[in-house]
Amino acid sequence: EAGVTQFPSHSVIEKGQTVTLRCDPISGHDNLYWYRRVMGKEIKFLLHFVKESKQDESGMPNNRFLAERTGGTYSTLKVQPAELEDSGVYFCASSRRDRLYEQYFGPGTRLTVT
Amino acid sequence: KNEVEQSPQNLTAQEGEFITINCSYSVGISALHWLQQHPGGGIVSLFMLSSGKKKHGRLIATINIQEKHSSLHITASHPRDSAVYICAVIHYQLIWGAGTKLIIKP
Repeated sequence: EAGVTQFPSHSVIEKGQTVTLRCDPISGHDNLYWYRRVMGKEIKFLLHFVKESKQDESGMPNNRFLAERTGGTYSTLKVQPAELEDSGVYFCASSRRDRLYEQYFGPGTRLTVT
Repeated sequence: KNEVEQSPQNLTAQEGEFITINCSYSVGISALHWLQQHPGGGIVSLFMLSSGKKKHGRLIATINIQEKHSSLHITASHPRDSAVYICAVIHYQLIWGAGTKLIIKP
């Protein structure tokens, strides 16, 4: 079975620009999570989708971040406008409906804002 | 103070040495993940455990729920084990430790 995939693997943008990250979960996984690790800090939870619904978005840092999961398949995370402190690695994970915490992680997208 | 503390932050050892990485947490949990992140790579889940001990190859993970402590051991370490090892506890959401950067020298 294919794993969680993320695109792009690396993105370099200027401050003020917009970037959209994509995550394709494992097929059939209802739960999809976004996490990020900014330089020198712990990985932090951003949000959790169950199918197309946002179950928990308490970790989203501010309204410059917008996550969507239309159709309950892949998800996008848009940062607009990007700031320097948004630089880091953004991870996506997915899990089955009945195994919430048995999460499978994607390779991450490294975002560099200059 | 972070709810999940890992030690050491950095560890350099010679090939063949027995490695121990510790994780302590302060919240009630249902289970705990040990994960591995290679340089430039994604995250791979090594173990998810809620009690006792699990073994996979040269990796062993133990957890003591009463003491709120878990350890990850690597036996007969090898340079390819060099990576960041991260502990994450399941407390509704995953709460992550800062990671332990392990370097194994040939």
